[in-house]
Amino acid sequence: QQQVKQSPQSLIVQKGGISIINCAYENTAFDYFPWYQQFPGKGPALLIAIRPDVSEKKEGRFTISFNKSAKQFSLHIMDSQPGDSATYFCAARTTDDMRFGAGTRLTVKP
Amino acid sequence: NAGVTQTPKFRVLKTGQSMTLLCAQDMNHEYMYWYRQDPGMGLRLIHYSVGEGTTAKGEVPDGYNVSRLKKQNFLLGLESAAPSQTSVYFCASSYAATGYNEQFFGPGTRLTVL
Repeated sequence: QQQVKQSPQSLIVQKGGISIINCAYENTAFDYFPWYQQFPGKGPALLIAIRPDVSEKKEGRFTISFNKSAKQFSLHIMDSQPGDSATYFCAARTTDDMRFGAGTRLTVKP
Repeated sequence: NAGVTQTPKFRVLKTGQSMTLLCAQDMNHEYMYWYRQDPGMGLRLIHYSVGEGTTAKGEVPDGYNVSRLKKQNFLLGLESAAPSQTSVYFCASSYAATGYNEQFFGPGTRLTVL
C-alpha cells in the first residue's frame, strides 16, 4: 500500500500553461516533503521541498502548496516550458524514512 | 566531482544467476541508499547505510544483500535473481539523514531478469 498517493499519472500541458501535480499522504509522522524531477535515462534530482510549518514555498516558476489539515501537497509549474518535460515524484520523509509517490509524466507541448 | 556513479548501466541475467551492482560516491557522504524504480510504484528503498561497515533494511529488502566496506562504495547483491527483480536500480547518497540533507542520485542500472 503506497503511503504517498500522486496524481495524475500523466499530464500534457501547452507551453506557457500551468502544470499541477497533487499528492496526499496518511502518515502524520512525515515532516518534510520534497519533489524530485527525473529526465529519461537519469536519476531523480531534488527540485524543491517544503516543511509543514509553511503553506507555500516558491522557487522561480516552481511552487509547492501544502495543506497540513488535509494531508495534501501539490506542485505548480508556472509558465511551463518544453524543457520541463520530465517525470515528477513527490515524496514524504521522516528522519529515517522516505516514501515516494508513483510519479507523474509531464509533457509540455511547444 | 563525478558525484554518484553506478556500474554497470545495463545487465541481463537469467533466473538464478547472481550479480553485484556497484555504487561509488566522491562527496564524502556518510549515508548511502539503494532504491528500485518500477512503473507505477515510484522509488522504493531496498537497503541503506548510515556509515562504513553499517547496513539496514528498507521497505523492500527481500532477495537483496548489501555491503559497505568502504565509505565511498555501497554494493547491492542479488544472490539468485528472479524475474520480479527486473527493475531500474538507483543508488543515492547524502551527507547525513538528520536535518533532511539532500539525497544525490546516480544515473541508474537497468536490470532485466529472464
